[in-house]
Amino acid sequence: DVKVTQSSRYLVKRTGEKVFLECVQDMDHENMFWYRQDPGLGLRLIYFSYDVKMKEKGDIPEGYSVSREKKERFSLILESASTNQTSMYLCASSFSGPPLHFGNGTRLTVT
Amino acid sequence: AQKITQTQPGMFVQEKEAVTLDCTYDTSDPSYGLFWYKQPSSGEMIFLIYQGSYDQQNATEGRYSLNFQKARKSANLVISASQLGDSAMYFCAMRDAPDAGNKLTFGGGTRVLVKP
Repeated sequence: DVKVTQSSRYLVKRTGEKVFLECVQDMDHENMFWYRQDPGLGLRLIYFSYDVKMKEKGDIPEGYSVSREKKERFSLILESASTNQTSMYLCASSFSGPPLHFGNGTRLTVT
Repeated sequence: AQKITQTQPGMFVQEKEAVTLDCTYDTSDPSYGLFWYKQPSSGEMIFLIYQGSYDQQNATEGRYSLNFQKARKSANLVISASQLGDSAMYFCAMRDAPDAGNKLTFGGGTRVLVKP
């Protein structure tokens, strides 16, 4: 079974802090994705990556950056956290295409 | 731009009855894929069923079936014989055209509560 692991289930940070959300997958998938989930809005794509050191902007990249130094790890970075970034963050991976395999999510609260 | 619409924010269903979750989509690409995911309260996203735009038959997976009406651009999920464990959020999603990558665009979701 594919396992996508997000390092934190719950995270509380202060406004202005730099925040790292980590995601690791164990199936040698090329594709990795970061989504945020908000009530009524579903999941919105922040960034994705098709290969090591490669990244592409999704639909809502503002305020975020990503890093993929190794194939199995995809990190989401909030350079200066703001309260409107309080959300559920979901990491996903896939081989050549969908379906995506998701982690359990990180619920981030920015105060 | 592609768009996925789920018009039912929430619904109740009696245990053992069938329930239909609506999903309409908008795309100008002839080749696309439609997906349904289930998200229980634990937060994990569970892939349920897939329908390709060129598939001749509606997809089925156990108690899940997809009512695909291409001309109407709808891909409704039907859950037969509902169980208490079906209580969850359900998301419809669409894959971008192949040359645009393998991203999924999601709808807003429908929360289903199965009553005993």
